[in-house]
Amino acid sequence: AQSVAQPEDQVNVAEGNPLTVKCTYSVSGNPYLFWYVQYPNRGLQFLLKYITGDNLVKGSYGFEAEFNKSQTSFHLKKPSALVSDSALYFCAVSPRYNFNKFYFGSGTKLNVKP
Amino acid sequence: EPEVTQTPSHQVTQMGQEVILRCVPISNHLYFYWYRQILGQKVEFLVSFYNNEISEKSEIFDDQFSVERPDGSNFTLKIRSTKLEDSAMYFCASKQNTGELFFGEGSRLTVL
Repeated sequence: AQSVAQPEDQVNVAEGNPLTVKCTYSVSGNPYLFWYVQYPNRGLQFLLKYITGDNLVKGSYGFEAEFNKSQTSFHLKKPSALVSDSALYFCAVSPRYNFNKFYFGSGTKLNVKP
Repeated sequence: EPEVTQTPSHQVTQMGQEVILRCVPISNHLYFYWYRQILGQKVEFLVSFYNNEISEKSEIFDDQFSVERPDGSNFTLKIRSTKLEDSAMYFCASKQNTGELFFGEGSRLTVL
């Protein structure tokens, strides 16, 4: 079965420290990979995507993500966290053979403490 | 920047009543979706719509739910007879072809 896993419900990090939010997937056929952020009472906002090419992709607000094909992972990273980065983060995966379909992870709550 | 707009932002209804949630997707997008989210938890897929028909639906999307694109711009989700457990945030999303989904800000449905 196709699935996306975000193994941590919550990640706590101090402001200024690097952050990583993990995502692994089990979706066949070199899927497209996405990260979204959701602030309280808001919709999901697109952060970045991997389609092809360089394994390190850069996105909005200083975020980047590293695609690892052998580990089927797409971890979200930021070198220096801000308190304003505190939000809910969702990983999403879309198969190339059916790009109409999206599989979402269960979300990871990022808490950045001052 | 073009955006997906949803109305109403919040609707309160009595159990058993019909509800229609409206969405205006981004104008050149071809694929349309409804998702729901209960209490800021996981995002649950309801239905996808392409070329004027449902392309896929989840188990949640039972006979009480329907979608329509009546006029080429609006994309609506109807719940025929609401239940308490339908209380959630409902998100509309659209996309052009391959690539990312663009989400609206959501419609909060409260069923009493």
